[in-house]
Amino acid sequence: EADIYQTPRYLVIGTGKKITLECSQTMGHDKMYWYQQDPGMELHLIHYSYGVNSTEKGDLSSESTVSRIRTEHFPLTLESARPSHTSQYLCASSEEGAEQPQHFGDGTRLSIL
Amino acid sequence: SQELEQSPQSLIVQEGKNLTINCTSSKTLYGLYWYKQKYGEGLIFLMMLQKGGEEKSHEKITAKLDEKKQQSSLHITASQPSHAGIYLCGADYTGTASKLTFGTGTRLQVTL
Repeated sequence: EADIYQTPRYLVIGTGKKITLECSQTMGHDKMYWYQQDPGMELHLIHYSYGVNSTEKGDLSSESTVSRIRTEHFPLTLESARPSHTSQYLCASSEEGAEQPQHFGDGTRLSIL
Repeated sequence: SQELEQSPQSLIVQEGKNLTINCTSSKTLYGLYWYKQKYGEGLIFLMMLQKGGEEKSHEKITAKLDEKKQQSSLHITASQPSHAGIYLCGADYTGTASKLTFGTGTRLQVTL
């Protein structure tokens, strides 16, 4: 079992609120990722990081932002939540090197009213 | 993603039956990852297949990569209720295993 944790698991919140989704891993992985997954749809990469102070946008445009101040922590923030942000958000991490699999957390299911 | 097609989209099999799920890429693969997802949860890594084509097995699950066809198959032998879930393939098109492209998944139900 991979040691990667996401909180909260579920969040229902009103429009306009600022939200931070937490992701932590205890494996010392340099690479971390955020994916967005709508029901019945594929995962889309929205942010990734290759290490501390490194963040890049993924293939799917997102209004969220991320930070990587510590190796083990990769939080995702929405400054002003909207109903269009309703989705499942999955965090993953992997070791450096090709062929290293990504290990996923259990996800945060976000609903914006 | 249209770059990566999975088939079938859903599958219902009786316990004890064998089944195969396919993942076909329209671009050259550096690597192909298979994951399993239970509803509302994260992905569990199953197997990774390297460019060049190979076959791997773990318990009752066998995965193959056909380099010529750019296609991978996941075969489950003697299915059990514990095999139920969504199976996703993830393609590495860069050789870095970082920016994976995922298929839409195959939803598997195993009936008693």
